[in-house]
Amino acid sequence: DAGVIQSPRHEVTEMGQEVTLRCKPISGHDYLFWYRQTMMRGLELLIYFNNNVPIDDSGMPEDRFSAKMPNASFSTLKIQPSEPRDSAVYFCASSFEGIRDSPLHFGNGTRLTVT
Amino acid sequence: AQTVTQSQPEMSVQEAETVTLSCTYDTSESDYYLFWYKQPPSRQMILVIRQEAYKQQNATENRFSVNFQKAAKSFSLKISDSQLGDAAMYFCAYRSAWGGSEKLVFGKGTKLTVNP
Repeated sequence: DAGVIQSPRHEVTEMGQEVTLRCKPISGHDYLFWYRQTMMRGLELLIYFNNNVPIDDSGMPEDRFSAKMPNASFSTLKIQPSEPRDSAVYFCASSFEGIRDSPLHFGNGTRLTVT
Repeated sequence: AQTVTQSQPEMSVQEAETVTLSCTYDTSESDYYLFWYKQPPSRQMILVIRQEAYKQQNATENRFSVNFQKAAKSFSLKISDSQLGDAAMYFCAYRSAWGGSEKLVFGKGTKLTVNP
């Protein structure tokens, strides 16, 4: 299996621009998570989906952030408009509920820099 | 809400020696899972070891083992015979065993340096 695939690996954009991060989970996994990692706050859960349905979006910082999962093999995290404080590494992860102690499998992350 | 605390922002160890990273957590649940993840400079998150709360036996994976103290809500990671490749950020994480609570809650991490 190719693992969780995220794109792009790096994104540099100017304040006010729209940013879209993409994720392909591991085939067969029914949970998908978006995390953000910063030095100050560590790893924060933004939102997660179960069978393509958003379950908990309480970590989404504000309305500028939105996430979708149109099908089992694709999810996006969009920031519009972007701000410098959004600069962070964004991770996508997936897991399978059928395994009791299933760990999260992470992608390699997208490093976002907003100037 | 559950919280995970890693009280050591940085640790260092000599190559071939043993080091223990600390983790404590707060929960009112009786069944849950605990994980240690490693994040090398490549930033990939790699699962090191996992433990289920109802299992009293401490998990081991080669040179990595845990000391799980449920009553104390402590979950430390021991790395034996440390290698240069062990240098990384290490994150402790908690997950509820209740259905529908699949999210991981992470500690802030411990940066491990391995000295040759």
